[in-house]
Amino acid sequence: EPEVTQTPSHQVTQMGQEVILRCVPISNHLYFYWYRQILGQKVEFLVSFYNNEISEKSEIFDDQFSVERPDGSNFTLKIRSTKLEDSAMYFCASSPGGYTDTQYFGPGTRLTVL
Amino acid sequence: QQQVKQSPQSLIVQKGGISIINCAYENTAFDYFPWYQQFPGKGPALLIAIRPDVSEKKEGRFTISFNKSAKQFSLHIMDSQPGDSATYFCAASGETSGSRLTFGEGTQLTVNP
Repeated sequence: EPEVTQTPSHQVTQMGQEVILRCVPISNHLYFYWYRQILGQKVEFLVSFYNNEISEKSEIFDDQFSVERPDGSNFTLKIRSTKLEDSAMYFCASSPGGYTDTQYFGPGTRLTVL
Repeated sequence: QQQVKQSPQSLIVQKGGISIINCAYENTAFDYFPWYQQFPGKGPALLIAIRPDVSEKKEGRFTISFNKSAKQFSLHIMDSQPGDSATYFCAASGETSGSRLTFGEGTQLTVNP
């Protein structure tokens, strides 16, 4: 069964450094998402991406964040200057269609900012 | 108004028992309500979902009950099994809120053998 994959599984970085989290969505899916989950808290929406552009972003997704689909398979989340509070599990998800289609989540990347 | 409230935070059930998790929402524009199951070290996975045109949806041992007037919905797990031990999240989305999922706080379910 196709699945969303994410790399790395765990990323440790120093405050102020840039990080890039990588995702390979399911191949025929059209919508791509990033969510994050701070330890012990709820899953929070960051951004959605459709037709090579951001379709929606949350208030969390400020100028420090950016997303890119550099080729036909990868979807990346970049954090330009990490803060301690960026430490969280970051999930990539993809869906074949709009909001009533199932969003399939990857296993997540645990980001630790020291 | 975008919040989804979920309770209880944790739940312990004996094998064979019924697990019930409740959620309430505020945004009347929400019209798609999925439940996700998450095992440790894994991403959330869709369990079952409902649209507000029906009051109940059943898939195997899992049932969603939906009360549109009260803006509440719940997940019932019948004949709970130890393998059901996981964290369960309710979520909501709507056409006017884009395709973002708004998640509840999660319920840690433990089913004792």
